[in-house]
Amino acid sequence: DGGITQSPKYLFRKEGQNVTLSCEQNLNHDAMYWYRQDPGQGLRLIYYSQIVNDFQKGDIAEGYSVSREKKESFPLTVTSAQKNPTAFYLCASTHTGGGNTGELFFGEGSRLTVL
Amino acid sequence: AQSVTQPDIHITVSEGASLELRCNYSYGATPYLFWYVQSPGQGLQLLLKYFSGDTLVQGIKGFEAEFKRSQSSFNLRKPSVHWSDAAEYFCAVGALSAGNMLTFGGGTRLMVKP
Repeated sequence: DGGITQSPKYLFRKEGQNVTLSCEQNLNHDAMYWYRQDPGQGLRLIYYSQIVNDFQKGDIAEGYSVSREKKESFPLTVTSAQKNPTAFYLCASTHTGGGNTGELFFGEGSRLTVL
Repeated sequence: AQSVTQPDIHITVSEGASLELRCNYSYGATPYLFWYVQSPGQGLQLLLKYFSGDTLVQGIKGFEAEFKRSQSSFNLRKPSVHWSDAAEYFCAVGALSAGNMLTFGGGTRLMVKP
């Protein structure tokens, strides 16, 4: 079945460590997104990519980095510069060509906890 | 800049009662509007979406929403709530011209009393 796979589902990190969250999709979607979710704040956009080897900062990119070397993969690195990294991270993707209906498809999320 | 407001952080309804979740948006152009549902620790599932045309939109699981341009609202409704509807609901606004980026409201957590 087509979908978006995020891993790991749970991740614990010590302060000062970088961690990388994986996001893979087999939907043949062009665009991919990373959102951060905190209680009561909805979802906030971290980074997005509309084509391979290109990506743009979202509203809260500081302390995060991404790469888009393959169409199906969009990993997110949470660096030690991120002051408050404990959150639920959601990856999403969408088709942007003809027939685009604007909706995003989401993975199951990764919960990062800094100890 | 676009924004979405969901005024109710928590709502509790009895099973079988009707439900309305409020959503107000601010967007300069004609918006695309969405409602998503999220179970605890899970991703988001699309309930319904509005692009154009009929302002009353039907979705999955018996939900519907009505787009009211004059009120900048897109409220979600269900005539009879089931215990399995307990979840968090997010309203979102976006546009294809904006690279499909969606702006989300803060969410409304729905609890269902037996």
